[in-house]
This record gives sequence, structure tokens and C-alpha cells, in this order.
Amino acid sequence: NAGVTQTPKFQVLKTGQSMTLQCAQDMNHEYMSWYRQDPGMGLRLIHYSVGAGITDQGEVPNGYNVSRSTTEDFPLRLLSAAPSQTSVYFCASSYRGEQFFGPGTRLTVL
Amino acid sequence: AQSVTQPDIHITVSEGASLELRCNYSYGATPYLFWYVQSPGQGLQLLLKYFSGDTLVQGIKGFEAEFKRSQSSFNLRKPSVHWSDAAEYFCAVVPIGGTYKYIFGTGTRLKVLA
Repeated sequence: NAGVTQTPKFQVLKTGQSMTLQCAQDMNHEYMSWYRQDPGMGLRLIHYSVGAGITDQGEVPNGYNVSRSTTEDFPLRLLSAAPSQTSVYFCASSYRGEQFFGPGTRLTVL
Repeated sequence: AQSVTQPDIHITVSEGASLELRCNYSYGATPYLFWYVQSPGQGLQLLLKYFSGDTLVQGIKGFEAEFKRSQSSFNLRKPSVHWSDAAEYFCAVVPIGGTYKYIFGTGTRLKVLA
């Protein structure tokens, strides 16, 4: 049981490039979410999904897209990277209110 | 607006001393309450949670938290801190029966002096 996995662990992008952060869980959880963590700001919710085919925006959705075609996978897409998107990104799945976090992706946008 | 406040950005304690980390929330009704710990370069690990019932909750690593409805608080405590407890601690809330949209506090970074 791998839990929540994220790839890559580290990524450097140039401004304007696009990329997809991968997230997968093997616990059959319906609810999944993406957060970004910035110093002094805690974790802020980007997008979340309550099941396959259903997604919604969180607190800071601009510049990010998500889709949920399967229960297991919840990728996060950066459409045109900006330096303001330099952050650590965490994916999580939830069951009965408890969240299980992946190890994170550290993204730097130059 | 719904919010979670952790008033202490940094706390330094000596090893063996007691610890209390503060958390206050602003919600229309009592939410689910959580404490997570994050070691440097790591993801978040659940320490403990409160859903209902006994207001004193026991967690892993010797931590406990007390829910006080009248104060809208959920403070984390440990009687004797170990050097390995140095980390960042996050309080989080989610509405009962809601959409699991967690709201996190900004975190308290704990430093432990030998």
C-alpha cells in the first residue's frame, strides 16, 4: 500500500513553460486535493475533487488546472508557469475527514 | 470568514520542558479539528484529531490536545519535549459534513534546545 505518491520530487521550469504534477493514491479515496505551501502561509488549497469527474476550485486556483478521470489519479497542470508559482506542492486524499499527504513536489520557476 | 489562527510563529523550548502550541478557529459551528507535524523536507503527518466526544484527545508521539468550545481553541500539548520534536506544527479544521475543504493555520515552528 503506497498511500499517496507524487512525481516529480523536484522540478525547475522557465517562465511560460507548462507542466503536470502527478498525484496518485491506492486507498480508493473519493476526495483528493492539491495544496501549495509557502513560507509563513501554511497550506493553501488550490483545487479539490470529490470523485472521478468532479473537481472544484479552492482558495488559490488561478494558473492551475485539474482533472479527475479515475479515482486513483489527480494531476495538477500549470498552464504557463510564473515565478509566483515557485512553491512546494502537496497532494492529499481524504477518508472520513482525515487527510493523507504525499511527500510533495518542490517547484522552482525561473 | 472561516479561519484558523496559530499566534506563535516560532517557539523555542529546552529538551524535557513542557510544550503548548496554540490554535484558535473561527467557524459557525464546531468543525473537525486536526494537528499535523511536518519535519524539514517532509510531508505532513497526522498527530491527532477531534471529531466529537471527549475533549481531551491523545495522539502519537506523546502529544495531546484539548478542545475548548467556549474559547474556540484546540491547543496542542506535550509534557516533556524531545529533541526529535523539532518541526513545524499545523492546526487544521474542516466543517462537519462539509466538503473536506481543510483550512490550515500558518504553522508554528518548534526549536528544541539541548
